[in-house]
Amino acid sequence: QKEVEQNSGPLSVPEGAIASLNCTYSDRGSQSFFWYRQYSGKSPELIMSIYSNGDKEDGRFTAQLNKASQYVSLLIRDSQPSDSATYLCAVPNTGNQFYFGTGTSLTVIP
Amino acid sequence: DADVTQTPRNRITKTGKRIMLECSQTKGHDRMYWYRQDPGLGLQLIYYSFDVKDINKGEISDGYSVSRQAQAKFSLSLESAIPNQTALYFCATRPRTSGGAPGWQHEQFFGPGTRLTVL
Repeated sequence: QKEVEQNSGPLSVPEGAIASLNCTYSDRGSQSFFWYRQYSGKSPELIMSIYSNGDKEDGRFTAQLNKASQYVSLLIRDSQPSDSATYLCAVPNTGNQFYFGTGTSLTVIP
Repeated sequence: DADVTQTPRNRITKTGKRIMLECSQTKGHDRMYWYRQDPGLGLQLIYYSFDVKDINKGEISDGYSVSRQAQAKFSLSLESAIPNQTALYFCATRPRTSGGAPGWQHEQFFGPGTRLTVL
C-alpha cells in the first residue's frame, strides 16, 4: 500500500463548477496534511494545509480532513481556467518524511 | 527574499557520467530534501537531511548520493548516470520550528527544479 494515494484523473470541470479532489493516507500517526498545486514543468506551491478534523476554508478553496477514515480532500469552488493544474496531496509521516500522491490533473473548461 | 535555488536548471549528459545537482537556501531551514518527478508518478523522495550530520535514505536512493556541506547547501550526485534517471529533480526545505508553531505544522518549500536528461 502506498503512503498516499490520489485519483490520478484527469478531472475536467466547466468554469464556475466545483472541483473535488481526494486523497487517502496510510500512517495513522500523521498530524498535518498539505495540498500543493503544480503547473507543468514548475515547482509545487502550497494551496492549503489542515491539521484538525473538519473543514478549513481559504477563499475558493476548502480542505476537509477525516482522520478516522484517513481521508483528506480539497474542494475548489467557482473553478477558473487558471486552476487547471496538477494537485498534489502531501502527508508527512511520523518520521518527518514527506510523502506525495501521484497527483490529480485538473482541467477547467471555459 | 529568502529562497531555495537549484543549479543547474537544465542538464543534458551521457550515460556513465558523474553529475552533481546543487541546492542552496537562504530560509535558514534545518531540513532539506531531494525528490525526483517522473510523469504520472508524483514526487519520490531520494534523500533527506535534518541537519549537517543527519542524512537519510528515502524511497529511491539507489544510484544517488548526497552531501550536506552546510545548513544551507545540500547536493545530489549521480555517480554514473543512466537513462532512467532522466527526470525533473526538486530540492525542498522545511523548518524545524518557525513563528512559535511546531515543525510538524510547516509545509515544504520547493526550489525551481532541475531538468536532467541522460542520453
